Order: sequence, then structure tokens, then C-alpha cells
Amino acid sequence: SAVISQKPSRDICQRGTSLTIQCQVDSQVTMMFWYRQQPGQSLTLIATANQGSEATYESGFVIDKFPISRPNLTFSTLTVSNMSPEDSSIYLCSVGFGTGGSEQYFGPGTRLTVT
Amino acid sequence: AQSVAQPEDQVNVAEGNPLTVKCTYSVSGNPYLFWYVQYPNRGLQFLLKYITGDNLVKGSYGFEAEFNKSQTSFHLKKPSALVSDSALYFCAVRGSNYGGSQGNLIFGKGTKLSVKP
Repeated sequence: SAVISQKPSRDICQRGTSLTIQCQVDSQVTMMFWYRQQPGQSLTLIATANQGSEATYESGFVIDKFPISRPNLTFSTLTVSNMSPEDSSIYLCSVGFGTGGSEQYFGPGTRLTVT
Repeated sequence: AQSVAQPEDQVNVAEGNPLTVKCTYSVSGNPYLFWYVQYPNRGLQFLLKYITGDNLVKGSYGFEAEFNKSQTSFHLKKPSALVSDSALYFCAVRGSNYGGSQGNLIFGKGTKLSVKP
């Protein structure tokens, strides 16, 4: 397993601004994932961020809106750009172990409210 | 298409009684199955997983789950519920290379477990 921290834990942002969320892991991991959990909903994968390669985005998510950095094996950032109220969600990072990252451990999440 | 279904939005149990939270899945090939728990205002915590081997899997906090291939189910169980078990429970299955993302977890919509004293 791993200990994962996220910053900020929560934020309230104005429409049209951007927020960068940080994810720090206490061990080196190859596979990291970013998820979104909209109010009352389940988790949806935004992108896979493996160190050494470009992030892979899921259908419905684009790099211009959710740019991701993965500068090393313990850190990643997700930026939510040009925010609108529809972006209000909990954003979670996770790290994957095992075959294809099959076993994932999650950070505490960042609760974002856009006004 | 690969999917996970949690047919119950909420499960209510009296403390000390057994609990079951249901999950069925649809994937191609052999499934990797997981249960996660989310307490209020906290992230997801890993409870248990099934990859291969014994159909009955034991996990954290006294929970267990039974893999049933013929029924494509992976129900979460606990013999004696505690008030502190009240939380949101998510079943998840590992997808294939769908969308180009290896290890993509497909989550159910979650089941709220309420344990009353």
C-alpha cells in the first residue's frame, strides 16, 4: 500500500479561474490515476498518469481542460482549467500496484466548489 | 461493455445483525473485483479484492466477500454489523484496456450502509 496526500483538501473558486491539485505519494509508483466524484455520484476516471509518458485521458476529458503533470515517481498534479460550476466535485488521485495497476489506493480527495 | 451494478442505494441493518451489500458485474475475461469504503468527508479506503484463488475473500474490519462466477456477483458481507460500519460502499471491477488506460477501475454507484444501534 501507500500513503497518499492531496493539496488542497478543499477550495472554493470563482468561475473562469484554474486550480491545481497536488498529489504526493510516500513511495515510488509508476501508475497514478485521477478520478472525479461528482456530488452523489460514483467515481469516474479522468486520466491515467504514468511517469515517463503523456497522460491518457478517458472519453469526455481533454488535456486542455484537465492538464496533468507527472514529473517524478512520487508526485503528480491535476489542473482544472477555466472552471464552471459543473466542475464542482471531489477530485481524487490514486496509485496502482500489481498487474496493470489493478489494486489502487486513494488519496483523501480535494473538494472543489466553483461559484 | 464492462459494468458494475449495485442494485441497492441503501441498506439498513441493526447492530449485531449480519449485513450484505450486493454487487454484480459484467466484464470480458476474468475479473479483478474490489470493495472500497468511503466514510463522510474522507477518501476511499481499500477493503478487499478478488484476483484469483478462493472464492471467499477476507478483508479489513471483519468484512468478507464471495466471488460467484456463475452469478457474476461479488457480494460484501459481515457476520455482525457495527454502528461504525455506516458508510458508503463501492464495488469496482478492473476493466480491460478500454480507453487506453490500463488498470482502469470501473465503479458501481455506491450503496449507503446504515447500521442502527
